[in-house]
Amino acid sequence: EPEVTQTPSHQVTQMGQEVILRCVPISNHLYFYWYRQILGQKVEFLVSFYNNEISEKSEIFDDQFSVERPDGSNFTLKIRSTKLEDSAMYFCASSPRGEYGYTFGSGTRLTVV
Amino acid sequence: KQEVTQIPAALSVPEGENLVLNCSFTDSAIYNLQWFRQDPGKGLTSLLLIQSSQREQTSGRLNASLDKSSGRSTLYIAASQPGDSATYLCAVPYNQGGKLIFGQGTELSVKP
Repeated sequence: EPEVTQTPSHQVTQMGQEVILRCVPISNHLYFYWYRQILGQKVEFLVSFYNNEISEKSEIFDDQFSVERPDGSNFTLKIRSTKLEDSAMYFCASSPRGEYGYTFGSGTRLTVV
Repeated sequence: KQEVTQIPAALSVPEGENLVLNCSFTDSAIYNLQWFRQDPGKGLTSLLLIQSSQREQTSGRLNASLDKSSGRSTLYIAASQPGDSATYLCAVPYNQGGKLIFGQGTELSVKP
Protein backbone atom coordinates (compact mmCIF):
# COMPACT_ATOMS: atom_id res chain seq x y z
CA GLU A 1 0.00 0.00 0.00
CA PRO A 2 1.36 3.48 -0.84
CA GLU A 3 2.85 5.39 2.07
CA VAL A 4 3.71 8.93 3.01
CA THR A 5 7.33 8.97 4.11
CA GLN A 6 8.74 11.50 6.55
CA THR A 7 12.36 12.16 7.48
CA PRO A 8 13.95 12.43 9.93
CA SER A 9 11.90 10.56 12.53
CA HIS A 10 13.52 12.59 15.32
CA GLN A 11 15.27 15.94 15.23
CA VAL A 12 16.83 17.84 18.10
CA THR A 13 17.80 21.42 17.41
CA GLN A 14 18.92 24.45 19.33
CA MET A 15 16.61 27.41 19.76
CA GLY A 16 17.06 29.89 16.93
CA GLN A 17 18.27 27.31 14.43
CA GLU A 18 16.57 26.56 11.14
CA VAL A 19 15.08 23.11 10.56
CA ILE A 20 13.71 21.45 7.46
CA LEU A 21 11.28 18.58 7.80
CA ARG A 22 10.92 16.40 4.74
CA CYS A 23 8.03 14.43 3.34
CA VAL A 24 7.45 12.30 0.27
CA PRO A 25 3.68 12.23 -0.38
CA ILE A 26 1.88 9.57 -2.36
CA SER A 27 2.76 10.13 -5.99
CA ASN A 28 -0.68 10.62 -7.52
CA HIS A 29 -2.05 12.75 -4.69
CA LEU A 30 -2.78 16.40 -5.36
CA TYR A 31 -3.23 17.90 -1.88
CA PHE A 32 -0.49 18.09 0.70
CA TYR A 33 -0.66 19.08 4.35
CA TRP A 34 1.35 19.68 7.45
CA TYR A 35 -0.12 19.17 10.91
CA ARG A 36 1.48 19.26 14.31
CA GLN A 37 0.72 17.74 17.70
CA ILE A 38 2.18 19.22 20.84
CA LEU A 39 2.51 16.54 23.52
CA GLY A 40 -0.86 15.90 25.15
CA GLN A 41 -2.74 18.24 22.82
CA LYS A 42 -4.92 17.94 19.72
CA VAL A 43 -3.57 17.44 16.24
CA GLU A 44 -3.56 20.94 14.71
CA PHE A 45 -3.67 21.97 11.07
CA LEU A 46 -0.74 24.09 9.88
CA VAL A 47 -0.97 24.43 6.11
CA SER A 48 -2.42 22.91 2.95
CA PHE A 49 -0.74 23.01 -0.45
CA TYR A 50 -2.36 22.49 -3.82
CA ASN A 51 -1.34 23.27 -7.38
CA ASN A 52 2.09 24.44 -6.21
CA GLU A 53 0.84 27.03 -3.80
CA ILE A 54 -0.49 27.38 -0.28
CA SER A 55 -4.26 26.97 -0.34
CA GLU A 56 -4.85 27.57 3.36
CA LYS A 57 -2.81 28.21 6.47
CA SER A 58 -3.58 28.47 10.16
CA GLU A 59 -2.74 31.24 12.61
CA ILE A 60 0.16 29.09 13.80
CA PHE A 61 1.76 29.21 10.34
CA ASP A 62 3.43 32.58 10.68
CA ASP A 63 6.40 34.09 8.83
CA GLN A 64 8.76 31.65 10.56
CA PHE A 65 7.22 28.78 8.60
CA SER A 66 7.41 28.02 4.89
CA VAL A 67 6.61 25.07 2.65
CA GLU A 68 8.04 23.97 -0.66
CA ARG A 69 7.56 21.24 -3.20
CA PRO A 70 10.89 21.69 -4.91
CA ASP A 71 11.05 18.74 -7.28
CA GLY A 72 7.58 17.27 -7.73
CA SER A 73 8.12 14.52 -5.18
CA ASN A 74 9.36 16.06 -1.92
CA PHE A 75 7.27 18.38 0.25
CA THR A 76 9.17 20.26 2.92
CA LEU A 77 8.33 22.34 5.97
CA LYS A 78 10.95 24.88 7.04
CA ILE A 79 11.02 26.62 10.39
CA ARG A 80 13.44 29.53 10.11
CA SER A 81 14.23 30.28 13.73
CA THR A 82 12.95 27.61 16.06
CA LYS A 83 11.45 28.40 19.44
CA LEU A 84 10.99 26.12 22.43
CA GLU A 85 7.24 26.05 21.76
CA ASP A 86 7.83 24.58 18.29
CA SER A 87 8.67 21.28 19.99
CA ALA A 88 6.01 18.88 18.72
CA MET A 89 5.33 15.93 16.45
CA TYR A 90 4.94 17.17 12.88
CA PHE A 91 2.83 15.11 10.50
CA CYS A 92 2.74 15.31 6.74
CA ALA A 93 -0.34 14.09 4.89
CA SER A 94 -1.53 13.86 1.31
CA SER A 95 -4.87 13.20 -0.36
CA PRO A 96 -6.12 12.72 -3.92
CA ARG A 97 -8.95 15.14 -3.25
CA GLY A 98 -9.32 17.82 -0.65
CA GLU A 99 -12.03 16.29 1.45
CA TYR A 100 -11.14 12.62 1.76
CA GLY A 101 -8.56 9.92 1.26
CA TYR A 102 -5.93 11.28 3.61
CA THR A 103 -2.80 9.31 4.26
CA PHE A 104 -0.57 10.49 7.08
CA GLY A 105 3.12 9.93 7.52
CA SER A 106 4.57 8.53 10.73
CA GLY A 107 5.73 11.97 11.84
CA THR A 108 8.89 13.83 12.80
CA ARG A 109 9.40 14.48 16.48
CA LEU A 110 11.03 17.90 16.77
CA THR A 111 12.65 18.86 20.06
CA VAL A 112 13.93 22.41 20.46
CA VAL A 113 16.41 22.87 23.31
CA LYS B 1 -16.39 27.47 13.57
CA GLN B 2 -16.25 23.68 13.62
CA GLU B 3 -15.29 22.07 16.91
CA VAL B 4 -14.84 18.35 17.49
CA THR B 5 -15.10 16.77 20.92
CA GLN B 6 -14.47 13.20 22.01
CA ILE B 7 -15.60 11.49 25.15
CA PRO B 8 -14.39 9.81 27.19
CA ALA B 9 -10.80 11.07 27.21
CA ALA B 10 -9.62 7.69 28.44
CA LEU B 11 -11.16 4.25 28.73
CA SER B 12 -9.89 1.03 30.26
CA VAL B 13 -11.70 -2.23 29.60
CA PRO B 14 -11.01 -5.94 30.05
CA GLU B 15 -10.23 -7.99 26.97
CA GLY B 16 -13.28 -9.26 25.11
CA GLU B 17 -15.55 -6.39 25.99
CA ASN B 18 -17.51 -4.47 23.35
CA LEU B 19 -17.06 -0.71 23.62
CA VAL B 20 -18.23 2.57 22.14
CA LEU B 21 -16.21 5.72 21.58
CA ASN B 22 -18.02 8.98 21.01
CA CYS B 23 -17.32 11.96 18.78
CA SER B 24 -19.41 15.11 18.44
CA PHE B 25 -19.10 18.06 16.09
CA THR B 26 -20.74 21.46 16.19
CA ASP B 27 -21.36 22.13 12.48
CA SER B 28 -23.42 19.41 10.83
CA ALA B 29 -22.49 20.56 7.30
CA ILE B 30 -19.68 18.03 6.93
CA TYR B 31 -18.41 16.19 3.85
CA ASN B 32 -17.42 13.14 5.83
CA LEU B 33 -16.01 12.00 9.14
CA GLN B 34 -12.89 9.95 9.61
CA TRP B 35 -11.66 7.80 12.48
CA PHE B 36 -7.95 7.36 13.03
CA ARG B 37 -5.82 5.28 15.34
CA GLN B 38 -2.62 6.63 16.89
CA ASP B 39 -0.14 4.42 18.71
CA PRO B 40 2.14 6.13 21.25
CA GLY B 41 4.72 8.30 19.50
CA LYS B 42 3.53 7.18 16.10
CA GLY B 43 1.62 8.50 13.13
CA LEU B 44 -2.07 8.38 12.32
CA THR B 45 -3.60 5.31 10.73
CA SER B 46 -6.93 5.77 8.97
CA LEU B 47 -9.53 3.27 10.22
CA LEU B 48 -12.84 4.25 8.70
CA LEU B 49 -14.26 7.08 6.64
CA ILE B 50 -17.99 7.74 6.57
CA GLN B 51 -19.33 9.95 3.82
CA SER B 52 -21.99 12.48 4.81
CA SER B 53 -24.62 10.46 2.90
CA GLN B 54 -23.82 7.27 4.84
CA ARG B 55 -25.14 6.15 8.21
CA GLU B 56 -22.45 3.64 9.00
CA GLN B 57 -19.29 1.97 7.82
CA THR B 58 -17.77 -1.33 8.91
CA SER B 59 -14.29 -2.80 8.82
CA GLY B 60 -13.73 -6.07 10.63
CA ARG B 61 -14.52 -5.59 14.32
CA LEU B 62 -14.96 -1.85 13.87
CA ASN B 63 -18.23 -0.14 13.08
CA ALA B 64 -18.60 3.61 12.78
CA SER B 65 -21.94 5.37 12.68
CA LEU B 66 -22.80 8.93 11.72
CA ASP B 67 -25.79 11.04 12.67
CA LYS B 68 -25.24 14.38 10.97
CA SER B 69 -28.38 16.01 12.29
CA SER B 70 -27.34 15.50 15.89
CA GLY B 71 -23.66 16.11 15.20
CA ARG B 72 -22.51 12.74 16.47
CA SER B 73 -20.47 9.74 15.44
CA THR B 74 -19.66 6.58 17.35
CA LEU B 75 -16.94 4.01 16.87
CA TYR B 76 -17.97 0.57 18.07
CA ILE B 77 -15.23 -1.96 18.72
CA ALA B 78 -16.40 -5.55 19.14
CA ALA B 79 -14.59 -8.14 21.22
CA SER B 80 -11.75 -5.83 22.18
CA GLN B 81 -8.17 -7.14 22.25
CA PRO B 82 -5.00 -5.82 23.95
CA GLY B 83 -3.73 -4.91 20.47
CA ASP B 84 -6.58 -2.41 20.20
CA SER B 85 -4.90 -0.29 22.89
CA ALA B 86 -4.18 3.08 21.29
CA THR B 87 -5.60 6.59 21.01
CA TYR B 88 -8.58 6.91 18.69
CA LEU B 89 -9.15 10.22 16.95
CA CYS B 90 -12.07 11.46 14.93
CA ALA B 91 -11.74 14.28 12.40
CA VAL B 92 -13.87 16.20 9.94
CA PRO B 93 -12.77 18.24 6.92
CA TYR B 94 -13.45 21.90 7.47
CA ASN B 95 -13.84 22.64 3.78
CA GLN B 96 -13.17 21.18 0.34
CA GLY B 97 -9.56 22.18 0.70
CA GLY B 98 -9.25 19.39 3.19
CA LYS B 99 -8.18 21.04 6.43
CA LEU B 100 -9.05 18.44 9.07
CA ILE B 101 -10.40 19.39 12.47
CA PHE B 102 -9.49 16.76 15.06
CA GLY B 103 -10.98 15.80 18.37
CA GLN B 104 -8.66 15.39 21.32
CA GLY B 105 -8.87 11.62 21.15
CA THR B 106 -9.90 8.76 23.41
CA GLU B 107 -7.02 6.78 24.91
CA LEU B 108 -8.11 3.15 25.02
CA SER B 109 -6.45 0.53 27.16
CA VAL B 110 -7.56 -3.09 26.81
CA LYS B 111 -6.34 -5.25 29.69
CA PRO B 112 -5.59 -8.95 29.12
